[in-house]
Amino acid sequence: EAQVTQNPRYLITVTGKKLTVTCSQNMNHEYMSWYRQDPGLGLRQIYYSMNVEVTDKGDVPEGYKVSRKEKRNFPLILESPSPNQTSLYFCASSSWTGGAVGYTFGSGTRLTVV
Amino acid sequence: AQTVTQSQPEMSVQEAETVTLSCTYDTSESDYYLFWYKQPPSRQMILVIRQEAYKQQNATENRFSVNFQKAAKSFSLKISDSQLGDAAMYFCAYLNYGGSQGNLIFGKGTKLSVKP
Repeated sequence: EAQVTQNPRYLITVTGKKLTVTCSQNMNHEYMSWYRQDPGLGLRQIYYSMNVEVTDKGDVPEGYKVSRKEKRNFPLILESPSPNQTSLYFCASSSWTGGAVGYTFGSGTRLTVV
Repeated sequence: AQTVTQSQPEMSVQEAETVTLSCTYDTSESDYYLFWYKQPPSRQMILVIRQEAYKQQNATENRFSVNFQKAAKSFSLKISDSQLGDAAMYFCAYLNYGGSQGNLIFGKGTKLSVKP
């Protein structure tokens, strides 16, 4: 089944404790992206990657890191999480014809930073 | 920069009735894509319908259709014969055609309730 897999689905952590949210897709998509969803703000892009070793900032990159060492994986790293990073996070992927078919989203990761 | 505006934070519809969700966007581009995504309580993002800006014909997917007005930069979603399973958050989204495809830009969403 074609899908984007995110882990974990839920995570509670403490301020300053480094964490990684994993994202993997099995569709051989070139493009991958991370979004955060907050009430009343919709989804905002954090980082995206056009292909292996190519990443760029989205609209809200502060406090986040990403890497794209393999085509299928695009982890989101929070080096020192803070409470304002409590949010619902989505990973998404698409082929270069992303506009033709839309993006495929993971199931989301609910992160709480206390 | 492109922006997407959904002016209705919440909407309600009676089962079997028709409801229209509004979306406007701002762009200086001529070629782009527009989408409606549904997010049920399971929080999964589900593509409902898409529209290519260069196509004048409005997209239709079963009970879902759009009214795309390019000059007015308007992209509304009509849900016919509403069902209880249609209750969800609906997001309108914009994507530049070609180029970097750097950012699928979302509106803030409309929460749709369906009354039995």
